[in-house]
Amino acid sequence: AQSVTQPDIHITVSEGASLELRCNYSYGATPYLFWYVQSPGQGLQLLLKYFSGDTLVQGIKGFEAEFKRSQSSFNLRKPSVHWSDAAEYFCAVGLEYGNKLVFGAGTILRVKS
Amino acid sequence: DSGVTQTPKHLITATGQRVTLRCSPRSGDLSVYWYQQSLDQGLQFLIQYYNGEERAKGNILERFSAQQFPDLHSELNLSSLELGDSALYFCASSVETGTEAFFGQGTRLTVV
Repeated sequence: AQSVTQPDIHITVSEGASLELRCNYSYGATPYLFWYVQSPGQGLQLLLKYFSGDTLVQGIKGFEAEFKRSQSSFNLRKPSVHWSDAAEYFCAVGLEYGNKLVFGAGTILRVKS
Repeated sequence: DSGVTQTPKHLITATGQRVTLRCSPRSGDLSVYWYQQSLDQGLQFLIQYYNGEERAKGNILERFSAQQFPDLHSELNLSSLELGDSALYFCASSVETGTEAFFGQGTRLTVV
């Protein structure tokens, strides 16, 4: 069955430090891949997506992600974290041409000053 | 603001009752999706409608149903509610299938 694994439940980084959130997926076909962010009491905001083409994708708020087919990974990165980045981050794979999103369990990011 | 509007924002109801959650998609979006977010199950896809027709189905209970109306707004009906149905219910919309979905702020349902 299709699945998304985010191995880190919590991550704490210092403000200004770099960030990498891990995501691995299991899906037989070429995946549609997404990263969403959820701030407390808020909905899900799309950070970036990969459908095809260049495996390094740029998103909003200075985030980027790299699709590595050989590793079935789609890790999210940011070179310098800001306190406002503290939130929960979800990786998702879109099945059936992106219609159905299967989400990972999420990673809670804490930023310390 | 994603442009997807969900009402109400909060709902508290008793077990055995029935509720209706409403979603207005972004202007021009034909697809509407419903998701449930709970502590034990995480974010789960429930159902998708495209231009009024059911397009995809996920882990939606038989007690739950949805529809999309001609003006493209959608409603999720939850009946015979149980304590375990307490969750955050999200609606999302996209222009068509295969494009990114934009999420509303959710309806928090509490069943007591």
